[in-house]
Amino acid sequence: AQTVTQSQPEMSVQEAETVTLSCTYDTSESDYYLFWYKQPPSRQMILVIRQEAYKQQNATENRFSVNFQKAAKSFSLKISDSQLGDAAMYFCAYRVGSYGKLTFGQGTILTVHP
Amino acid sequence: GAGVSQSPSNKVTEKGKDVELRCDPISGHTALYWYRQSLGQGLEFLIYFQGNSAPDKSGLPSDRFSAERTGGSVSTLTIQRTQQEDSAVYLCASSGGAATVNYGYTFGSGTRLTVV
Repeated sequence: AQTVTQSQPEMSVQEAETVTLSCTYDTSESDYYLFWYKQPPSRQMILVIRQEAYKQQNATENRFSVNFQKAAKSFSLKISDSQLGDAAMYFCAYRVGSYGKLTFGQGTILTVHP
Repeated sequence: GAGVSQSPSNKVTEKGKDVELRCDPISGHTALYWYRQSLGQGLEFLIYFQGNSAPDKSGLPSDRFSAERTGGSVSTLTIQRTQQEDSAVYLCASSGGAATVNYGYTFGSGTRLTVV
């Protein structure tokens, strides 16, 4: 069975600094997608960034980037120039193929200090 | 609609009662998913509908849980004889699959269910 592990229950960062959230996964599949979602107190899950397993280049979306290490099955999220609005719960997720269920990690609570 | 709509946003029910939670996905999205999120926890997969295919019910925790999707659009998650351990936020999401810009899901804001 596929599993996703986020080993950091909580992280904190100073405003304008950089923080990295860790995620590892376990799979025997070759075609899969990885995602980072943000969940603010409003409960709505917001997609931050995604990575296709077949792509070697790390995905980047503005201040958010990933370090995808396929052999190590690692998928960390780097947030640069952290802002107060980045404070939320962050979930790493995995999916086989274009459809199908997402498997989520347990989440990391990110606090941003002014 | 522009987003995934869930109703009610909050529901308090007495133990033993049945509840129905509604999800209205983005128009045209063929896939619909239900997840459960207990306090401070990750998301637990419940059920997945894809087009006209038989739903993937592998995540339903007991036979008290059921879901249907009518006309390939609106979905209802029903919990019979609710128990206190059913208290959680129930999240719905829809996806257009490969045709979707980001290959991800669009989530609703969830229904917070409290069983007293």
